[in-house]
Amino acid sequence: EVQLVESGGGLVKPGGSLRLSCAASGFSFTNVWMTWVRQAPGKGLEWVGRIKSQVAGATTDYSVAVKGRFTISRDDSENTVHLQMNDLKSEDTGIYYCTTDYSGSLDNWGRGTQVSVSS
Amino acid sequence: DIVMTQSPDSLAVSLGERATINCKSSRSVLFGSNYKNYLAWYQQKPGQPPKLLIYWASTRQSGVPDRFSGSGSRTDFTLTISSLQAEDVAVYYCQQYYTTPLTFGGGTKVEI
Repeated sequence: EVQLVESGGGLVKPGGSLRLSCAASGFSFTNVWMTWVRQAPGKGLEWVGRIKSQVAGATTDYSVAVKGRFTISRDDSENTVHLQMNDLKSEDTGIYYCTTDYSGSLDNWGRGTQVSVSS
Repeated sequence: DIVMTQSPDSLAVSLGERATINCKSSRSVLFGSNYKNYLAWYQQKPGQPPKLLIYWASTRQSGVPDRFSGSGSRTDFTLTISSLQAEDVAVYYCQQYYTTPLTFGGGTKVEI
């Protein structure tokens, strides 16, 4: 059974940093692209960014809203993907979901981790 | 960026009746070399993460009941629930994956 478990969320002041992690199990992590999606309170879904598999170069793409502030990385030895978030803003508040990415359709989702940015 | 526009924002359907949700993309998501539409549908129930229902515009994800169907091509797509069940109350999102940034529609809330 595919499992994705996010962690690392919390309350942080504007300008602060957080590092989210997503532990994956139940599938061959090495071959899978991973994507982060967020959802602001009471709002819709917003793509944050993705990291391709190592065989595809482990390249990353980001939304304009987070480019330059967020970094996605992966540790295939630990079956984990990370989202390093710097210079956080109030508009970054929301639930952050880790997903598997099958050519862009997001076929498995974690339960999410809450990030709150407030002074 | 490709803008995804869903309609309606919400709809109320009686149990056993048909629900139809529309999604329009600002440009074609049909990839010419494989003739696939890079369009997915998700269901999100309150307090839960989204769940993939349909990909390639019309392929049901494993385990999804066959009352859910997707149709359309290029810029106009539809998600149909043929006979609404109580457990189908949720918000439904379309998403294009033709190009980054991946973009979602604003969601359609389906109620009884």
